[in-house]
Amino acid sequence: DAGVIQSPRHEVTEMGQEVTLRCKPISGHNSLFWYRQTMMRGLELLIYFNNNVPIDDSGMPEDRFSAKMPNASFSTLKIQPSEPRDSAVYFCASSYRREITNEQFFGPGTRLTVL
Amino acid sequence: GQQVMQIPQYQHVQEGEDFTTYCNSSTTLSNIQWYKQRPGGHPVFLIQLVKSGEVKKQKRLTFQFGEAKKNSSLHITATQTTDVGTYFCAVDSNYQLIWGAGTKLIIKP
Repeated sequence: DAGVIQSPRHEVTEMGQEVTLRCKPISGHNSLFWYRQTMMRGLELLIYFNNNVPIDDSGMPEDRFSAKMPNASFSTLKIQPSEPRDSAVYFCASSYRREITNEQFFGPGTRLTVL
Repeated sequence: GQQVMQIPQYQHVQEGEDFTTYCNSSTTLSNIQWYKQRPGGHPVFLIQLVKSGEVKKQKRLTFQFGEAKKNSSLHITATQTTDVGTYFCAVDSNYQLIWGAGTKLIIKP
């Protein structure tokens, strides 16, 4: 299994530009999570999907952020317009929700720098 | 909402010394997970504890779940350079994980 795949691995953009981050979860997993990690704020959950349906987006910082999961094998996180304070590492994780065990498998992350 | 407190934030040790991180909750937990994130890497699942008083070992790592299921600890015996990273606890809540702030293990030069 290839694991969770994220692209791009690094993104450098200028303030005001649109940024789209992509994620391919592990095949067969039914839950997908988007996280943001910074030194100051640590690991923050932005949004998560169960069976492609957004369940909780309370962690999405502003209307500038949006996420979609059009099918079980693909999700995007979009920031429009981007701001310097959005600079962070964005992780996608997936899991298979079971009664007892639901460990999350993380992708390698996208390091976003907004100038 | 549910919160989990993790301490300490950092721990500096000499190679060969032991390391311990603790997680505490004010409410009873259904289970607790532990993850490790190497510098520049992503969190990787280590283990899940479910039963009251459970103790599990992975080589030099010992994981404990409190009798009241409100606290947990991770202890590393005789740390090595490969242990460097941040260790997170996480608890299951409504289909998502609530994460501790992490404890960063730093090996003194």
